[in-house]
Amino acid sequence: GNSVTQMEGPVTLSEEAFLTINCTYTATGYPSLFWYVQYPGEGLQLLLKATKADDKGSNKGFEATYRKETTSFHLEKGSVQVSDSAVYFCALYSGGTSYGKLTFGQGTILTVHP
Amino acid sequence: EAQVTQNPRYLITVTGKKLTVTCSQNMNHEYMSWYRQDPGLGLRQIYYSMNVEVTDKGDVPEGYKVSRKEKRNFPLILESPSPNQTSLYFCASRPPSGGRSYEQYFGPGTRLTVT
Repeated sequence: GNSVTQMEGPVTLSEEAFLTINCTYTATGYPSLFWYVQYPGEGLQLLLKATKADDKGSNKGFEATYRKETTSFHLEKGSVQVSDSAVYFCALYSGGTSYGKLTFGQGTILTVHP
Repeated sequence: EAQVTQNPRYLITVTGKKLTVTCSQNMNHEYMSWYRQDPGLGLRQIYYSMNVEVTDKGDVPEGYKVSRKEKRNFPLILESPSPNQTSLYFCASRPPSGGRSYEQYFGPGTRLTVT
């Protein structure tokens, strides 16, 4: 079955540091890949997405590239801010019999200090 | 404003006392689903509904029921809650024909504690 593995957290960084959160996946076929973000006390929001190999998703300074050869979709940001403190989830959608279901990683807590 | 709403946001209850968590969306989405979020496990799908009167089990349906009598509402029912159902619950919806560009819209979450 499908699965998503994220790097262990929590991650603690100083403001303006470089961020990488690793994500690898196992899936049948050609999944679409997503990063969702959950700010404290809120639901999940789509941060970025990529639907085919070598696509780069980007939003709010965050980027992730769909690497089929390494089955990865690592999240990066060049200079984090305190407001980026949140939980980040990598997810995939592969369609077919899993109609509608997103498969999520375990989530990575990011804390950014001033 | 397009949104998914859930009620209540916080609930503490006792084992065996039936409860319902409501979910409503105002985007005319056909597809709705329920997830639970547990530390170290991410989000796991409980049930989903592809349209009115059409529901099916997700990965962790045991102990839960759902109904879909109207397009906008998708309540989650715990007939006899147990402590292992203590979790953070999210309702989500998505537009029809989402294809591969597949954004789901999530509610704010309901934190349930069963003692």
